Amino acid sequence: AQTVTQSQPEMSVQEAETVTLSCTYDTSENNYYLFWYKQPPSRQMILVIRQEAYKQQNATENRFSVNFQKAAKSFSLKISDSQLGDTAMYFCAFMKPPELNTGKLIFGQGTTLQVKP
Amino acid sequence: KAGVTQTPRYLIKTRGQQVTLSCSPISGHRSVSWYQQTPGQGLQFLFEYFSETQRNKGNFPGRFSGRQFSNSRSEMNVSTLELGDSALYLCASSLKPGLMNTEAFFGQGTRLTVV
Repeated sequence: AQTVTQSQPEMSVQEAETVTLSCTYDTSENNYYLFWYKQPPSRQMILVIRQEAYKQQNATENRFSVNFQKAAKSFSLKISDSQLGDTAMYFCAFMKPPELNTGKLIFGQGTTLQVKP
Repeated sequence: KAGVTQTPRYLIKTRGQQVTLSCSPISGHRSVSWYQQTPGQGLQFLFEYFSETQRNKGNFPGRFSGRQFSNSRSEMNVSTLELGDSALYLCASSLKPGLMNTEAFFGQGTRLTVV
């Protein structure tokens, strides 16, 4: 069974600085998808970034980028130039490829990030 | 374009009662998934529906059920409520199930409190 582990329950960062959130996962699959979701106090889950396991290049979305290490089964999220609006809980998630006919996301326990002014 | 709408936003029920939660996906989306979020267990997959058919089900007891209508709206029902069912229930919709290029959009959830 697949598992996702986020070892940092809480983190804080000063506004404008850079922070990295860690995520490791366990799977026997060779192809899969990884995601980072953000859940602000409004509770709505928002997709931050996604990575396809067969792609070597790390995904980037503006200030958000990932460090995907497939062999190490590691998928960390780097937030550059942190903004107050980045304060939220961040979830790392795993999904099997579509040919295995499931849309089930497996989430980590989450990391609460506070950006301080 | 309207987002995923979940109703009600908040609900208080008594142990032993049953409850029905509703999720209206984004227009055109045919896949709806449900998740339960609790402080202790985190986010856990409940079930996924596509074209009125349940495609996947998580490890929850039979008290948890769901359905999807022809307009893609989905409901989930919990019977004989227990205190441990208190949680935030999140719904996500996507164009098709399980495809990488179809992003899943989440609703704001229904906060269920069982007393």
